[in-house]
Amino acid sequence: DTAVSQTPKYLVTQMGNDKSIKCEQNLGHDTMYWYKQDSKKFLKIMFSYNNKELIINETVPNRFSPKSPDKAHLNLHINSLELGDSAVYFCASSQVGGGRKGSKNIQYFGAGTRLSVL
Amino acid sequence: EDQVTQSPEALRLQEGESSSLNCSYTVSGLRGLFWYRQDPGKGPEFLFTLYSAGEEKEKERLKATLTKKESFLHITAPKPEDSATYLCAVQADDYKLSFGAGTTVTVRA
Repeated sequence: DTAVSQTPKYLVTQMGNDKSIKCEQNLGHDTMYWYKQDSKKFLKIMFSYNNKELIINETVPNRFSPKSPDKAHLNLHINSLELGDSAVYFCASSQVGGGRKGSKNIQYFGAGTRLSVL
Repeated sequence: EDQVTQSPEALRLQEGESSSLNCSYTVSGLRGLFWYRQDPGKGPEFLFTLYSAGEEKEKERLKATLTKKESFLHITAPKPEDSATYLCAVQADDYKLSFGAGTTVTVRA
């Protein structure tokens, strides 16, 4: 059983389109995250939700909108896609957030969604 | 802003040739330093968390250590299956991880 699963794995689309990436975790975790990994391999946090509440919203264009229907799911919707949105997007989850020490703040990642905007 | 710098960018090793990867960091209020392994086309896989200077963790051929300014990931007698990109990340007073750019390790048989 995959702990953190993302769909689709690959997404190729035209500029200006709207697309969604789905993420589900079966670990019973409270907190979920979206990261973007660019061509230079840097992983950068975009959003975080704790029990369906948005707790981190980095400087991300408002074309990106996360949606958490329940604490096991965090989807990412992107409007009006641009060339610069091409990257690999990773979903992650942890048992608790808040920087508490202990194994509960370990983040577990999905396999990624490679988005290519043409 | 939290900063994480990893060196070297790439490391080519012969099987059995031990080496170390460096992760230097600047963070206000370190909650934890994390090491992940990432294989091509896959997500980061958790290896270790270190919380206090002087702490060490080991797993098979890997050993991670932590000081107040940097962490080292030592690879002892590496095998080809240890080839991967190793990512270091710090967690400060909030939920997010700040990652370095990674060190890509290639181990030749």
